[in-house]
Amino acid sequence: DGGITQSPKYLFRKEGQNVTLSCEQNLNHDAMYWYRQDPGQGLRLIYYSQIVNDFQKGDIAEGYSVSREKKESFPLTVTSAQKNPTAFYLCASSIGDRRMTDTQYFGPGTRLTVL
Amino acid sequence: AQSVTQPDIHITVSEGASLELRCNYSYGATPYLFWYVQSPGQGLQLLLKYFSGDTLVQGIKGFEAEFKRSQSSFNLRKPSVHWSDAAEYFCAVGSPGAGSYQLTFGKGTKLSVIP
Repeated sequence: DGGITQSPKYLFRKEGQNVTLSCEQNLNHDAMYWYRQDPGQGLRLIYYSQIVNDFQKGDIAEGYSVSREKKESFPLTVTSAQKNPTAFYLCASSIGDRRMTDTQYFGPGTRLTVL
Repeated sequence: AQSVTQPDIHITVSEGASLELRCNYSYGATPYLFWYVQSPGQGLQLLLKYFSGDTLVQGIKGFEAEFKRSQSSFNLRKPSVHWSDAAEYFCAVGSPGAGSYQLTFGKGTKLSVIP
């Protein structure tokens, strides 16, 4: 089955530690995205990548970093510089044909809790 | 800048009753509109999308939405709600970003269904 996988489903981190969230897709999509979701806030874009070895900051990139070394993988690192990292993180992908009809499909999410 | 407003934070309906979830957008050009659904602790699933043409769009799970340009609205409807429809619903507008097209989300409407 084609789809997007995120691991782990739940992640706990101590303050001051960096942590990396995994996102893998086998849809052969060029574009991938990371969103943060907080209760009552909708989804906010952290980073996105249109092609391998290229990525752009979204609305709330501070305290986060990404890499895109392979087409199917787009890991997100939450660094110790992120002041309030506890949230639900969603990865998405799309064909990435740069038209407004480009549709994003989402993974199941990772819930990060800072202890 | 584009924006999406979902005026209702929480709606409760009885099973078998009809449903309408409101979505208003602000966008300077022709909008590209989406509705997603999220079950607790899960990712987002695409319900339907509007790009052009017929303003009444059919989606999965018996949902439909109507685009009304004069009212800047894209309301989601279902004639008869099932208990399994209890979830959070997000409206989104596609908008241009740096070399790509991105989604701007509303803050969501949580739907509760009474047996």
